[in-house]
Amino acid sequence: DTAVSQTPKYLVTQMGNDKSIKCEQNLGHDTMYWYKQDSKKFLKIMFSYNNKELIINETVPNRFSPKSPDKAHLNLHINSLELGDSAVYFCASSHPPGRLQETQYFGPGTRLLVL
Amino acid sequence: GESVGLHLPTLSVQEGDNSIINCAYSNSASDYFIWYKQESGKGPQFIIDIRSNMDKRQGQRVTVLLNKTVKHLSLQIAATQPGDSAVYFCAERISGGYNKLIFGAGTRLAVHP
Repeated sequence: DTAVSQTPKYLVTQMGNDKSIKCEQNLGHDTMYWYKQDSKKFLKIMFSYNNKELIINETVPNRFSPKSPDKAHLNLHINSLELGDSAVYFCASSHPPGRLQETQYFGPGTRLLVL
Repeated sequence: GESVGLHLPTLSVQEGDNSIINCAYSNSASDYFIWYKQESGKGPQFIIDIRSNMDKRQGQRVTVLLNKTVKHLSLQIAATQPGDSAVYFCAERISGGYNKLIFGAGTRLAVHP
């Protein structure tokens, strides 16, 4: 009965590799997000999709490319991984802005370590 | 610029005491505020939220206070329990910003028996 799930939970890879993180939500939400949490636990939004359309795109290197195949999924592909990409990546989902229930619900996180 | 900050990076309390976690936000256009709890190795968990047209909201053992005059937000936890030990984040949402949340740095709450 997991609400927001992410795979994998841990990801260890070499610099220069390409990797993907997957996210799925079963809450019936239209809006999904990707956040990055650094080693100091600072959480910052990267992207947001509403009904498969990109609506938030923060200043993120274009090596990061989100893809939303349908409303329930938002995947994050990262090309040419760098040491600074090491972080915990969280997926979240919510109803669209303007609805009464706009709370964002977070997944368990994917811990990415780039060596 | 955009920033949400916290006064105390670490707060230690005795079990049974009340806890108060403070947060300063910078954007007057923010219309919605949320407190999240993050336990070690887990994702942020929603605790309570408040809209800018309110100054107080209560939940089960938690109360959020909003002072728009000084742009201050606080989370009060009554009868703090060991299970409350976690990092607490406040977040603000700027009106019209597609539900974009700006998070503070986090406060670690340590509850001692």
